[in-house]
Amino acid sequence: GEDVEQSLFLSVREGDSSVINCTYTDSSSTYLYWYKQEPGAGLQLLTYIFSNMDMKQDQRLTVLLNKKDKHLSLRIADTQTGDSAIYFCAESLTGQNFVFGPGTRLSVLP
Amino acid sequence: GAVVSQHPSRVICKSGTSVKIECRSLDFQATTMFWYRQFPKQSLMLMATSNEGSKATYEQGVEKDKFLINHASLTLSTLTVTSAHPEDSSFYICSARDPAAKPGQPQHFGDGTRLSIL
Repeated sequence: GEDVEQSLFLSVREGDSSVINCTYTDSSSTYLYWYKQEPGAGLQLLTYIFSNMDMKQDQRLTVLLNKKDKHLSLRIADTQTGDSAIYFCAESLTGQNFVFGPGTRLSVLP
Repeated sequence: GAVVSQHPSRVICKSGTSVKIECRSLDFQATTMFWYRQFPKQSLMLMATSNEGSKATYEQGVEKDKFLINHASLTLSTLTVTSAHPEDSSFYICSARDPAAKPGQPQHFGDGTRLSIL
């Protein structure tokens, strides 16, 4: 079945860039998403990318997709303490059923 | 603002109680909604797909008699955890997708319900 993997923890200093990585196994994945979850809260969509794209930029966020290696990354520029959260990568074939990664806990140090 | 509303946000109750969680789409009619469960420090696991006017589709390993899903209207799906026990304590999240959205446009998630069974 489909599988999505992420590293579980990442620590960066405030002002530095954060890069969160994700790999997936289903080569037919059409849509890839990044969600943010703050403690005790639901999921907040950050950005998403279609498999026919290799990059998408939205303000401080840059998503890179290497479809050949089935690797997705999320870069957060000028990371702030408010960016501390868990970041989930998710993939979907149709945009309906999602498979989530385990989440990466980002800690931003002052 | 939120387009999917989930209620209640937190429930604490005694073992053996049945608990109902509501998921509403606010700006669109959702023929399909999804229910996820998240254990502490873990990812979201899809429990079931709720289909308006028909039976829900449950993922493997999810007890349909334990987690009753009703999708009686185009804007409301409910998840009832029957005779809840401490092992049912978890964070439950629903999602829905606007059928008018373009293919691949993401689902909208509720804010989740934290269920604690004593």
